[in-house]
Amino acid sequence: KNEVEQSPQNLTAQEGEFITINCSYSVGISALHWLQQHPGGGIVSLFMLSSGKKKHGRLIATINIQEKHSSLHITASHPRDSAVYICAVEYNTDKLIFGTGTRLQVFP
Amino acid sequence: NAGVMQNPRHLVRRRGQEARLRCSPMKGHSHVYWYRQLPEEGLKFMVYLQKENIIDESGMPKERFSAEFPKEGPSILRIQQVVRGDSAAYFCASSQTTGFPYEQYFGPGTRLTVT
Repeated sequence: KNEVEQSPQNLTAQEGEFITINCSYSVGISALHWLQQHPGGGIVSLFMLSSGKKKHGRLIATINIQEKHSSLHITASHPRDSAVYICAVEYNTDKLIFGTGTRLQVFP
Repeated sequence: NAGVMQNPRHLVRRRGQEARLRCSPMKGHSHVYWYRQLPEEGLKFMVYLQKENIIDESGMPKERFSAEFPKEGPSILRIQQVVRGDSAAYFCASSQTTGFPYEQYFGPGTRLTVT
C-alpha cells in the first residue's frame, strides 16, 4: 500500500467545471506539496502547506491534519489545466514521498 | 533569478556507457534533491545533498549510481554502465536553508534513454 494515496487516478471534465483531487496519507507529516506535471514536461510546485488552506488564482489547496487528508480544487477549469497533479508529503526528513498522480483532462 | 537548471535535457546512452546528469540549484539554495520517474510510474526519491555532503541516499540503487554536490559547480548524478532499466526522467529540486519545511523548486528534468 502506497503511503500517499490519490484519487481519482484519472479525471475528465468539461471546461468551466469545478474539480477536486484528493490525497490521503498514513502518518503525521511536516508538510504536504501539490505539484503539476504537463505531458513530457517539467514539474511545477503549486502549493506547500502544513495546515489550513491556500489559494492561488483558480487553485485552492486545503489540508486536514487530523484526518490526514488534503484536497486540490480547480475552479472554472480550462483545457490548459490538463496535466498530472501529484501530491507529495514530507516527514521531517526533507525528502518527498509522492502519490501516483491524478491525470486530468479538461475538454473545451 | 534563474530557476533550477538541468542539463542535458535529453541524453541517449548505449548500454554499458556512463551517464552524467547535472543540476544547478537556484541562486541561494544549498540543498539539492534528485528524483527519478520511471516510465508510467510515480516519482521516487533518490538522494538529498547539501554542499559537499550527502545527507540521505536511501533511495539510491546500491551499485552504479553516485551523486555529488561540490563546493563549486553543479550537483552531478552519475550512472555507470547504464542498463535499459535506467531509462527514466531524472529531476532535481533545490531548496534554501531557512524556514523549515523547505519549499522545493524543480528543474525541467533530464530524460535518459538507454539503447
